[in-house]
Amino acid sequence: EIVLTQSPGTLSLSPGERATLSCRASQSVSSSYLAWYQQKPGQAPRLLIYGASSRATGIPDRFSGSGSGTDFTLSISRLEPEDFAVYYCQRYGSSPWAFGQGTKVEIK
Amino acid sequence: EVQLVESGGGLVQPGGSLRLSCAASGFTFSSYWMHWVRQDPGKGLVWVSHINIDGSNTDYADSVKGRFTISRDNAKNTLYLQMNSLRAEDTAIYYCASQVAGAGVWGQGTLVTVSS
Repeated sequence: EIVLTQSPGTLSLSPGERATLSCRASQSVSSSYLAWYQQKPGQAPRLLIYGASSRATGIPDRFSGSGSGTDFTLSISRLEPEDFAVYYCQRYGSSPWAFGQGTKVEIK
Repeated sequence: EVQLVESGGGLVQPGGSLRLSCAASGFTFSSYWMHWVRQDPGKGLVWVSHINIDGSNTDYADSVKGRFTISRDNAKNTLYLQMNSLRAEDTAIYYCASQVAGAGVWGQGTLVTVSS
Protein backbone atom coordinates (compact mmCIF):
# COMPACT_ATOMS: atom_id res chain seq x y z
CA GLU A 1 0.00 0.00 0.00
CA ILE A 2 1.09 3.52 -0.74
CA VAL A 3 2.57 5.62 2.08
CA LEU A 4 2.48 9.43 2.04
CA THR A 5 5.15 11.24 4.05
CA GLN A 6 4.72 14.93 4.77
CA SER A 7 7.47 17.32 5.72
CA PRO A 8 8.19 19.21 7.79
CA GLY A 9 6.13 18.03 10.74
CA THR A 10 5.80 21.59 11.99
CA LEU A 11 6.40 24.85 10.16
CA SER A 12 6.82 27.98 12.27
CA LEU A 13 6.21 31.12 10.23
CA SER A 14 4.95 34.67 10.59
CA PRO A 15 1.88 36.15 8.89
CA GLY A 16 2.80 37.39 5.42
CA GLU A 17 5.49 34.77 4.92
CA ARG A 18 5.40 32.02 2.30
CA ALA A 19 4.75 28.42 3.35
CA THR A 20 5.93 25.39 1.39
CA LEU A 21 4.66 21.98 2.44
CA SER A 22 5.89 18.71 0.96
CA CYS A 23 4.15 15.37 0.39
CA ARG A 24 6.23 12.43 -0.82
CA ALA A 25 4.67 9.14 -1.93
CA SER A 26 6.25 5.69 -1.63
CA GLN A 27 5.14 4.95 -5.20
CA SER A 28 3.98 7.03 -8.12
CA VAL A 29 0.62 8.76 -7.72
CA SER A 30 -1.52 9.91 -10.60
CA SER A 31 -1.71 13.68 -10.39
CA SER A 32 -5.43 13.37 -10.90
CA TYR A 33 -5.76 11.84 -7.47
CA LEU A 34 -3.73 13.95 -5.07
CA ALA A 35 -5.52 16.34 -2.72
CA TRP A 36 -4.64 18.73 0.08
CA TYR A 37 -6.85 19.45 3.11
CA GLN A 38 -6.75 22.05 5.86
CA GLN A 39 -8.00 21.21 9.33
CA LYS A 40 -8.52 23.50 12.28
CA PRO A 41 -9.24 22.31 15.86
CA GLY A 42 -12.77 21.00 16.26
CA GLN A 43 -13.49 21.14 12.54
CA ALA A 44 -13.72 18.63 9.72
CA PRO A 45 -11.03 18.65 7.04
CA ARG A 46 -11.61 21.30 4.39
CA LEU A 47 -10.65 20.56 0.79
CA LEU A 48 -8.13 23.03 -0.61
CA ILE A 49 -6.64 21.36 -3.69
CA TYR A 50 -7.65 18.34 -5.77
CA GLY A 51 -6.09 16.83 -8.85
CA ALA A 52 -2.74 18.05 -7.46
CA SER A 53 -3.27 21.64 -8.63
CA SER A 54 -6.97 22.52 -8.90
CA ARG A 55 -8.29 24.82 -6.21
CA ALA A 56 -11.59 23.80 -4.65
CA THR A 57 -14.54 26.15 -4.76
CA GLY A 58 -14.03 29.26 -2.65
CA ILE A 59 -10.34 28.66 -1.91
CA PRO A 60 -8.22 31.85 -2.17
CA ASP A 61 -5.59 31.98 -4.88
CA ARG A 62 -2.79 32.30 -2.31
CA PHE A 63 -3.11 28.49 -2.06
CA SER A 64 -1.51 26.53 -4.89
CA GLY A 65 -0.60 22.91 -5.50
CA SER A 66 2.02 21.39 -7.76
CA GLY A 67 3.97 18.24 -8.39
CA SER A 68 3.78 14.87 -10.07
CA GLY A 69 4.91 11.29 -9.65
CA THR A 70 6.04 10.94 -6.04
CA ASP A 71 6.63 14.57 -5.05
CA PHE A 72 3.89 17.10 -4.43
CA THR A 73 3.88 20.56 -2.89
CA LEU A 74 1.31 22.86 -1.32
CA SER A 75 2.31 26.51 -1.29
CA ILE A 76 0.68 29.36 0.57
CA SER A 77 2.02 32.57 -0.91
CA ARG A 78 1.34 34.94 2.00
CA LEU A 79 0.12 33.49 5.25
CA GLU A 80 -3.02 35.03 6.67
CA PRO A 81 -3.92 34.59 10.38
CA GLU A 82 -6.64 32.09 9.45
CA ASP A 83 -4.15 29.85 7.58
CA PHE A 84 -2.48 28.58 10.74
CA ALA A 85 -3.73 25.01 10.90
CA VAL A 86 -2.82 21.41 10.11
CA TYR A 87 -2.55 20.37 6.46
CA TYR A 88 -2.91 16.84 5.09
CA CYS A 89 -2.19 15.38 1.68
CA GLN A 90 -4.37 12.54 0.42
CA ARG A 91 -4.19 9.97 -2.36
CA TYR A 92 -7.69 9.10 -3.59
CA GLY A 93 -9.09 7.54 -6.75
CA SER A 94 -8.38 4.01 -5.64
CA SER A 95 -8.91 2.29 -2.34
CA PRO A 96 -7.68 2.36 0.31
CA TRP A 97 -7.35 6.10 0.51
CA ALA A 98 -4.00 7.18 1.92
CA PHE A 99 -3.24 10.22 4.05
CA GLY A 100 -0.04 11.91 5.07
CA GLN A 101 0.58 12.37 8.78
CA GLY A 102 0.03 16.12 8.54
CA THR A 103 2.06 19.33 8.70
CA LYS A 104 1.21 21.86 11.38
CA VAL A 105 1.68 25.47 10.34
CA GLU A 106 2.06 27.51 13.51
CA ILE A 107 2.61 31.16 14.26
CA LYS A 108 6.24 31.99 14.93
CA GLU B 1 -25.48 22.30 -1.83
CA VAL B 2 -23.55 19.04 -1.57
CA GLN B 3 -23.77 17.85 2.02
CA LEU B 4 -23.00 14.83 4.20
CA VAL B 5 -24.34 14.65 7.75
CA GLU B 6 -23.23 11.91 10.14
CA SER B 7 -25.13 10.74 13.20
CA GLY B 8 -25.19 7.86 15.65
CA GLY B 9 -22.02 8.45 17.61
CA GLY B 10 -21.86 8.29 21.39
CA LEU B 11 -20.44 6.54 24.41
CA VAL B 12 -20.37 2.74 24.32
CA GLN B 13 -18.75 0.12 26.54
CA PRO B 14 -15.95 -2.10 25.25
CA GLY B 15 -17.45 -5.04 23.39
CA GLY B 16 -20.55 -3.07 22.51
CA SER B 17 -22.05 -2.06 19.19
CA LEU B 18 -23.00 1.16 17.46
CA ARG B 19 -24.41 2.03 14.05
CA LEU B 20 -23.37 5.25 12.36
CA SER B 21 -25.42 6.87 9.61
CA CYS B 22 -24.49 9.42 6.98
CA ALA B 23 -27.25 11.29 5.16
CA ALA B 24 -26.32 12.64 1.75
CA SER B 25 -27.94 15.50 -0.17
CA GLY B 26 -27.22 17.80 -3.10
CA PHE B 27 -25.75 15.12 -5.36
CA THR B 28 -26.71 11.78 -6.94
CA PHE B 29 -25.73 9.56 -4.01
CA SER B 30 -26.23 6.33 -5.93
CA SER B 31 -23.52 7.30 -8.45
CA TYR B 32 -20.62 7.61 -6.03
CA TRP B 33 -18.43 5.36 -3.95
CA MET B 34 -18.57 6.25 -0.28
CA HIS B 35 -15.93 6.01 2.44
CA TRP B 36 -15.59 6.18 6.21
CA VAL B 37 -12.49 7.85 7.64
CA ARG B 38 -11.67 8.20 11.33
CA GLN B 39 -9.47 10.46 13.38
CA ASP B 40 -8.24 9.68 16.87
CA PRO B 41 -8.44 12.77 19.08
CA GLY B 42 -5.44 14.94 18.25
CA LYS B 43 -4.14 12.51 15.63
CA GLY B 44 -4.18 12.09 11.85
CA LEU B 45 -6.75 10.80 9.37
CA VAL B 46 -7.15 7.06 8.82
CA TRP B 47 -9.22 5.40 6.10
CA VAL B 48 -11.65 2.83 7.54
CA SER B 49 -13.84 1.44 4.77
CA HIS B 50 -15.32 1.94 1.32
CA ILE B 51 -18.39 0.79 -0.56
CA ASN B 52 -19.08 0.98 -4.28
CA ILE B 53 -22.21 2.36 -5.89
CA ASP B 54 -24.42 -0.70 -5.51
CA GLY B 55 -22.86 -2.21 -2.40
CA SER B 56 -21.30 -5.17 -4.18
CA ASN B 57 -17.71 -4.08 -3.43
CA THR B 58 -16.60 -3.27 0.11
CA ASP B 59 -13.23 -3.15 1.81
CA TYR B 60 -11.94 -2.44 5.30
CA ALA B 61 -8.80 -1.43 7.10
CA ASP B 62 -7.17 -4.41 8.80
CA SER B 63 -7.83 -2.86 12.21
CA VAL B 64 -11.62 -3.13 11.76
CA LYS B 65 -11.97 -6.10 9.42
CA GLY B 66 -14.44 -8.66 10.76
CA ARG B 67 -15.93 -6.18 13.26
CA PHE B 68 -17.25 -3.32 11.11
CA THR B 69 -19.72 -3.54 8.22
CA ILE B 70 -20.35 -0.77 5.70
CA SER B 71 -23.63 -0.61 3.80
CA ARG B 72 -25.78 1.85 1.92
CA ASP B 73 -29.42 2.49 1.07
CA ASN B 74 -29.54 4.37 -2.22
CA ALA B 75 -33.30 4.88 -1.93
CA LYS B 76 -32.72 6.77 1.33
CA ASN B 77 -29.45 8.44 0.24
CA THR B 78 -27.84 7.07 3.37
CA LEU B 79 -24.56 5.37 4.22
CA TYR B 80 -24.10 3.20 7.30
CA LEU B 81 -21.29 1.78 9.41
CA GLN B 82 -22.22 -1.04 11.77
CA MET B 83 -19.54 -1.32 14.43
CA ASN B 84 -19.43 -4.42 16.61
CA SER B 85 -17.00 -5.69 19.27
CA LEU B 86 -15.84 -2.14 19.88
CA ARG B 87 -12.49 -1.54 21.52
CA ALA B 88 -10.98 1.45 23.30
CA GLU B 89 -8.76 2.03 20.28
CA ASP B 90 -11.87 2.59 18.11
CA THR B 91 -12.45 5.86 19.97
CA ALA B 92 -12.35 8.53 17.28
CA ILE B 93 -14.30 11.02 15.22
CA TYR B 94 -15.81 9.18 12.28
CA TYR B 95 -16.30 11.03 8.99
CA CYS B 96 -18.16 9.90 5.90
CA ALA B 97 -16.68 11.17 2.67
CA SER B 98 -16.78 10.85 -1.09
CA GLN B 99 -15.30 12.26 -4.27
CA VAL B 100 -18.04 14.15 -6.07
CA ALA B 101 -17.05 15.40 -9.52
CA GLY B 102 -13.41 14.87 -8.53
CA ALA B 103 -13.57 16.98 -5.38
CA GLY B 104 -13.63 15.60 -1.87
CA VAL B 105 -16.79 16.03 0.17
CA TRP B 106 -16.77 15.34 3.92
CA GLY B 107 -19.32 15.41 6.70
CA GLN B 108 -18.75 17.19 9.98
CA GLY B 109 -18.01 13.94 11.81
CA THR B 110 -19.54 12.05 14.72
CA LEU B 111 -17.62 11.17 17.89
CA VAL B 112 -17.47 7.57 19.07
CA THR B 113 -16.10 6.98 22.56
CA VAL B 114 -15.46 3.42 23.72
CA SER B 115 -15.00 3.36 27.48
CA SER B 116 -16.29 1.63 30.57
